[in-house]
Order: sequence, then structure tokens, then C-alpha cells
Amino acid sequence: NAGVTQTPKFRVLKTGQSMTLLCAQDMNHEYMYWYRQDPGMGLRLIHYSVGEGTTAKGEVPDGYNVSRLKKQNFLLGLESAAPSQTSVYFCASSYGQLNEKLFFGSGTQLSVL
Amino acid sequence: EDQVTQSPEALRLQEGESSSLNCSYTVSGLRGLFWYRQDPGKGPEFLFTLYSAGEEKEKERLKATLTKKESFLHITAPKPEDSATYLCAVQPTTGGFKTIFGAGTRLFVKA
Repeated sequence: NAGVTQTPKFRVLKTGQSMTLLCAQDMNHEYMYWYRQDPGMGLRLIHYSVGEGTTAKGEVPDGYNVSRLKKQNFLLGLESAAPSQTSVYFCASSYGQLNEKLFFGSGTQLSVL
Repeated sequence: EDQVTQSPEALRLQEGESSSLNCSYTVSGLRGLFWYRQDPGKGPEFLFTLYSAGEEKEKERLKATLTKKESFLHITAPKPEDSATYLCAVQPTTGGFKTIFGAGTRLFVKA
């Protein structure tokens, strides 16, 4: 049972570089999310998707882009990384939106120097 | 403004020493309250969903309770393997489907 798989697990970038984080889920969930987790703060929603081909902004979307070309995959892109984007990124998925538990990946530790 | 506050930030217990973690929330209306467990280097793992005041749910040594303003996660006779960060999250009835997470309580259980 793979569940939600994120790659890579660790990444170091220089300011201004770009990168893409990949999330894949094998539970046939419609809804997928990208969160960031910073020390002393709760998980914050970056972007989400309610189905294949759809994306929407969350709480902290600036500096990030996403795409969901296939139902099982949700990509998070940073076009020009900034030190403020140093964080742990989690992908999650759920069957529904309301009162539905989230299934999380194991996270990506990103450092921007 | 919708808000979730967890206390304490960290809790150190001896094995077998029961205690409670607190989650206070401020929302216009509550659709659901969630508890997750997060181990170091891993993503959060779902524990419970509570929907209305007075509701309780149990799983092994954990029991979650809900009032109109807060939720408690009671840990009875904890073991070292219960050491983790416990996250509380709420889904308000307004603002779409958004889920608001607290910062978590780090629990350390010493043998």
C-alpha cells in the first residue's frame, strides 16, 4: 500500500533556482493538496485540486504553481526560489472535501540558500 | 478570525503517567475537528474526527473529547511509542472546505 508518495525527500536550492515537487497517490482520490509546515506554525494550504485538470489557490499561494494533468499526480513548482520558501512540504489527498480525513505523504525538506 | 491553539507546546511524561493535550478553537461554526499524529520525518497520520460537543472517540490509549470551544486528547498510561507530535485541525462551516491546523503538541514519553 503506497498511499501518497512524494519525491524528492530532500532538496537544496540556491535563490532564484526553480524546481518541481511530485506527488502521486494510488487511492483514486479526487482531492489533492499541497501544504507547507514551518516551526511553531500549523500546516498551511498552498494550493489544492478538486479533480483532474483543476487547481485552486489556498492560504499561501504566492511564489508557487501547481498542475494536475493526471488524477493520480499533483505537481508543485517553484519558479524562482526564495529563502522564505525554506520549509517542509507535504502533499495530501482525500476522497471528499467535507469532514474527510487527509492522507499525507512523508514530506519534502526544502532548503533555499 | 478562525483559529486553532494547542497547548502545551511540549509535554514530557514518564511511562504510565496519564495526561491530556488541549486544542482550543475559535470558529463561527464547526463542521468537524480532527486529530492527527505526526512522527519525526513523516507526514501526519489520521487519528479521529469529532463532529459535535459531547462526542468521544477512543483508540488504544488515546481518547478524544469535544466541547463547544475545545477538544482534549487524553493519553492513558502512555508508552514510549506514543512519543510524537499531535496535531489538531478544524473544518469550519464557513469559508468553503478549508481545514485549519494548530501548531501541535510534541509529546515525549520516557521509559
